[in-house]
Amino acid sequence: AQSVTQLGSHVSVSEGALVLLRCNYSSSVPPYLFWYVQYPNQGLQLLLKYTSAATLVKGINGFEAEFKKSETSFHLTKPSAHMSDAAEYFCAVLTSGAGSYQLTFGKGTKLSVIP
Amino acid sequence: GAGVSQSPSNKVTEKGKDVELRCDPISGHTALYWYRQSLGQGLEFLIYFQGNSAPDKSGLPSDRFSAERTGGSVSTLTIQRTQQEDSAVYLCASSLEDYSPLHFGNGTRLTVT
Repeated sequence: AQSVTQLGSHVSVSEGALVLLRCNYSSSVPPYLFWYVQYPNQGLQLLLKYTSAATLVKGINGFEAEFKKSETSFHLTKPSAHMSDAAEYFCAVLTSGAGSYQLTFGKGTKLSVIP
Repeated sequence: GAGVSQSPSNKVTEKGKDVELRCDPISGHTALYWYRQSLGQGLEFLIYFQGNSAPDKSGLPSDRFSAERTGGSVSTLTIQRTQQEDSAVYLCASSLEDYSPLHFGNGTRLTVT
């Protein structure tokens, strides 16, 4: 079964500092990987996706993620944190079987940005 | 364009009552999903619809939960005889096709008292 693990349920960074949110996946086949962001009282918004093209994927709001097969990782980064980045971030892997498709999510990482 | 729309945004109900949650997916999206988000449980898959195919109901937690999708568009999630542990945010998502990113609604926050 495919799954993702997010290390750190809560990460705090100073405004302007590097953001690094970790995600490791478990998959027996080439995975489709996603990062979503959730702001308070809202649904999830797609940040970026990896679909076996370029290993470095650029997303919205200055975020990017690098797929590393050797490390089974798909960490999310942003060079300089902004106050508006404070939110919860979810890594997800597309799982499929018997004609069904679904996203399996990690537990999420809540990002706090300190002024 | 319009995104995924869910109603109501908030629902408070008494234990034992039935509730219906509605989802209007993005027009033209063939796949529709329901997820449940609760503290300590993260995001749980509930059910998946794709076109006219039989839905994947493998994530429904009990037979009190059911969902239907009429005309390949609007979906309703029904919870019968609600229990306090059903309190959560219920998120609906749709996608253009399989392997496409999911677009989420803002969810329905259900509170069972």
